[in-house]
Amino acid sequence: SQWGEENLQALSIQEGEDVTMNCSYKTYTTVVQWYRQKSGKGPALIILIRSNEREKRSGRLRATLDTSSQSSSLSITGTLATDTAVYFCATDEGVVGQLTFGSGTRLQVYA
Amino acid sequence: EAAVTQSPRNKVTVTGGNVTLSCRQTNSHNYMYWYRQDTGHGLRLIHYSYGAGNLQIGDVPDGYKATRTTQEDFFLLLELASPSQTSLYFCASSDEWGRSSYEQYFGPGTRLTVL
Repeated sequence: SQWGEENLQALSIQEGEDVTMNCSYKTYTTVVQWYRQKSGKGPALIILIRSNEREKRSGRLRATLDTSSQSSSLSITGTLATDTAVYFCATDEGVVGQLTFGSGTRLQVYA
Repeated sequence: EAAVTQSPRNKVTVTGGNVTLSCRQTNSHNYMYWYRQDTGHGLRLIHYSYGAGNLQIGDVPDGYKATRTTQEDFFLLLELASPSQTSLYFCASSDEWGRSSYEQYFGPGTRLTVL
């Protein structure tokens, strides 16, 4: 899982496998955003889940949020080599205009 | 589509040098941000702004100044660069906080090396 000053987590899997990444946050958030950053690019939002939602799906992506344990997960089903990237979670911790990013999970998908 | 551009894309300077990183967004967004990214630390917020002339301090502001001259343009200034500021810098913009998505749109990054 990722948060704060933890070292970047790394996962290596074969194409077609499913993968789940975890994220925890410190206090309160109105939303958890998941970003994907491909090599040489800036991060880009891939899915967002609000504090009143338990689960959100978008194509092969599934995000969950458990406010009682202050944790979120991102699952990718049927991974492709093009899913290779670093994945970040981000929360607002109730602060308007500001996001706090986790340290990220590096996912390598081998064809 | 949202567009955030940064210049320069790469910069090398010496310790004590002055550096200005530029960011422009054409999204008509109110919020703009400067982050630095270092291995193992994810993205750390340096400064942000919610409009021209406004500046808010982020989590790692020491050694950095910023200025928002227009809604489109946000600059990051390193007046006495140090090797510890060697990093990958990202600019981002987002719509008015509280609107539907809170999504931040990132530029391509500027790699800064301080020798």
